[in-house]
Amino acid sequence: DAKTTQPPSMDCAEGRAANLPCNHSTISGNEYVYWYRQIHSQGPQYIIHGLKNNETNEMASLIITEDRKSSTLILPHATLRDTAVYYCIVRDSHGSSNTGKLIFGQGTTLQVKP
Amino acid sequence: KAGVTQTPRYLIKTRGQQVTLSCSPISGHRSVSWYQQTPGQGLQFLFEYFSETQRNKGNFPGRFSGRQFSNSRSEMNVSTLELGDSALYLCASSTGWAGVMDYGYTFGSGTRLTVV
Repeated sequence: DAKTTQPPSMDCAEGRAANLPCNHSTISGNEYVYWYRQIHSQGPQYIIHGLKNNETNEMASLIITEDRKSSTLILPHATLRDTAVYYCIVRDSHGSSNTGKLIFGQGTTLQVKP
Repeated sequence: KAGVTQTPRYLIKTRGQQVTLSCSPISGHRSVSWYQQTPGQGLQFLFEYFSETQRNKGNFPGRFSGRQFSNSRSEMNVSTLELGDSALYLCASSTGWAGVMDYGYTFGSGTRLTVV
């Protein structure tokens, strides 16, 4: 089962920041938080990942709470092309037999509106 | 840099037949994973291969199998197809496995399998 909980859907106005929350209250110390998104009829696309510290790349920012039980993906200036299903995944990348296994939940469907 | 290539893109098969899907990972990537996506179950992990060895397996029946070749290309096979096997089959590649921190998996566009 997925170890994350996300709202099923969200709307965002074009040009505004989209803030997508994720709860992962049972995350363990060596598990990373990954975000992927899937645009209709395409394979999932990697966005960003983090362990403890906040992370930023050219696509998004990831804010992880100090207790690591939740995180927020921020798309700073959402465009219509950001309409997709966003998946938050926790994954152990060090020394676990489940390392290669991404467990996807139902994700959040983000609708960016003009 | 070429992405993950899956062939064929679309496939229609009859119940009871078998099917083989192919995945060519990004050059230099040695890990290949397979996922099944259906409207009801979402994205589910099938298996992962690294250096021609299956490293991880999901909860699918033995009708689902795979292999990886020395050039890292991978195939998955489904025997005795059932209507419920109709799905989008996705392949993903990555640079490493188990203890190697990577920057995520790169997915292909998938093979849409319809079983009639």
